[in-house]
Amino acid sequence: EPEVTQTPSHQVTQMGQEVILRCVPISNHLYFYWYRQILGQKVEFLVSFYNNEISEKSEIFDDQFSVERPDGSNFTLKIRSTKLEDSAMYFCASRQGLNQPQHFGDGTRLSIL
Amino acid sequence: AQTVTQSQPEMSVQEAETVTLSCTYDTSESDYYLFWYKQPPSRQMILVIRQEAYKQQNATENRFSVNFQKAAKSFSLKISDSQLGDAAMYFCAYMSGYGNKLVFGAGTILRVKS
Repeated sequence: EPEVTQTPSHQVTQMGQEVILRCVPISNHLYFYWYRQILGQKVEFLVSFYNNEISEKSEIFDDQFSVERPDGSNFTLKIRSTKLEDSAMYFCASRQGLNQPQHFGDGTRLSIL
Repeated sequence: AQTVTQSQPEMSVQEAETVTLSCTYDTSESDYYLFWYKQPPSRQMILVIRQEAYKQQNATENRFSVNFQKAAKSFSLKISDSQLGDAAMYFCAYMSGYGNKLVFGAGTILRVKS
């Protein structure tokens, strides 16, 4: 069964550094998402992406965040200047159509030191 | 804004028994979808079951079934014949029929005793 793939599984970064989290959505999916889960808390929506542009973003997704689909397969989340509070599990998800469920990757654990 | 509430932070069930996880939600919309996701210790998010709001029939997937009460805005998950592999965090989630994102509840930790 096709899967959403995320790399790396764990990223450790110094505060203030830039980090890029990578995702390969399921190949025929058209809608892409990033979610965040701070340890012990609920999963929170960050951003959705469709047709090469952001379709919705949350208040968490401020100017330090950006997303990109640089080619036909990858979907990236960039955090420009990381803060301690960015430490979390970041999940990528994709879905084929509006009435289809979202499929999640295994997540990237981001640790900011 | 839509909200999802899971009032049980933790539940326990004996292996082979049945357990029900509760979820309520708040929305003014008539078109929406509801989901249960499972998150085992490995941290991946696995879709367990989905329910379309326009369908009166409760969704079923093998040992997993839901009790969808639209008027009460309740969406509980029943796990029958519980197995050790069912131990995980379970999240209830809402998605608007007009929107895009999933709104998650706080989750319920399910422990399965052998």
